[in-house]
Amino acid sequence: EVQLVESGGGLIQPGGSLRLSCAASGFTVSSNYMSWVRQAPGKGLEWVSVIYSGGSTFYADSVKGRFTISRDNSENTLYLQMNSLRAADMAVYYCARDLGAAAGLAFDSWGQGTLVTVSS
Amino acid sequence: SYDLTQPPSVSVSPGQTATITCSGDQLGDKYACWYQQKPGQSPVLVIYQDDKRPSGIPERFSGSNSGNTATLTISGSQAMDEAQYYCQAWVSRGSVVFGGGTKLTVL
Repeated sequence: EVQLVESGGGLIQPGGSLRLSCAASGFTVSSNYMSWVRQAPGKGLEWVSVIYSGGSTFYADSVKGRFTISRDNSENTLYLQMNSLRAADMAVYYCARDLGAAAGLAFDSWGQGTLVTVSS
Repeated sequence: SYDLTQPPSVSVSPGQTATITCSGDQLGDKYACWYQQKPGQSPVLVIYQDDKRPSGIPERFSGSNSGNTATLTISGSQAMDEAQYYCQAWVSRGSVVFGGGTKLTVL
């Protein structure tokens, strides 16, 4: 069974840093496209970042230069390092697995989400 | 930047057909997919690659994509279908866009 479990969220002051983790089971993270998607309170879904199976990484303009996506193949875990956090970054952060290019690129598995609160 | 536009809300009577649209420039040239999200839950993929249903998604969910509009159709809507629905597309390598979401009310 495919499972994604996020952790690492919490309360952080503006300008601070946080690292989110997404532990995967039932499949291999490094063989899939993996993304982070966030949802601000009461708002819609916003794509944040992707890491391709080949290792290429891409970011939404809103986080470029501040966030870094990575993975640990030995731990089968996805990460999101978030620096210079702003109030606008406050959201539930989901990790999601992509079906891949052959299936039209859609997120077929999602974690339960981890809440990041940015406030002084 | 590329935008996907959805109506904020759609209402449907139980047993009737609900139609939710998603508009974007030449969206028909890309693959569209749809997610259902209920309050306090993670999104669930209901349609991918324009018109394909993942395993476990009821047959009453269907999709299409042509021109500038992708459409999610729910035939024989049920109370359990009441949720927020989001369309999504990969607009280029390394760029994903979601629509703003549509709240479906079944009443």
